[in-house]
Amino acid sequence: SQKIEQNSEALNIQEGKTATLTCNYTNYSPAYLQWYRQDPGRGPVFLLLIRENEKEKRKERLKVTFDTTLKQSLFHITASQPADSATYLCAPSMDSNYQLIWGAGTKLIIKP
Amino acid sequence: DAGVIQSPRHEVTEMGQEVTLRCKPISGHNSLFWYRQTMMRGLELLIYFNNNVPIDDSGMPEDRFSAKMPNASFSTLKIQPSEPRDSAVYFCASSLGQGHTEAFFGQGTRLTVV
Repeated sequence: SQKIEQNSEALNIQEGKTATLTCNYTNYSPAYLQWYRQDPGRGPVFLLLIRENEKEKRKERLKVTFDTTLKQSLFHITASQPADSATYLCAPSMDSNYQLIWGAGTKLIIKP
Repeated sequence: DAGVIQSPRHEVTEMGQEVTLRCKPISGHNSLFWYRQTMMRGLELLIYFNNNVPIDDSGMPEDRFSAKMPNASFSTLKIQPSEPRDSAVYFCASSLGQGHTEAFFGQGTRLTVV
């Protein structure tokens, strides 16, 4: 069955460093992959979308890579700030599949 | 636009009671999703509507759950009868397209069934 894996344990990063989060998927080939941020008590908020033919996508301090060979996406936050502390969810989807399958999320903690 | 609006924000009900959750999607969005989120299972898609028509309800746990979208600006998720294991946060999301466009989530309804 289709499976998505994200770091289950919280990731603690020192302010100013680069945070890297991992999303691995198995048993399917998504055409798109989205990353969302979720704060406690709130709904997920869209951050970035990357297509299978794109190796890398950037938005301000955020960078996402998509390696279809490794079946992995990496999400980077450079010059991290305490305000970046949140849970980050990855959501791959097929080209013809409306359904977003979600990873469990990785909790990121940026320490001042 | 005010974004996706859900009501109520919190709901506490007794086992066996009917619960109705409400959602107003963003105007102009043609896709609507209902999700359930728990610590154990994460975010799960319950049902997906496109142009007010239910496309896939395979994520609906059982017959106790039902969802409707009578028009483009309103949807409901009903649980009857409710059970303690239904306790979760229920999110509604809308989007302009399908899986490859960003989804906009509401604030969620935290449901507690005692």
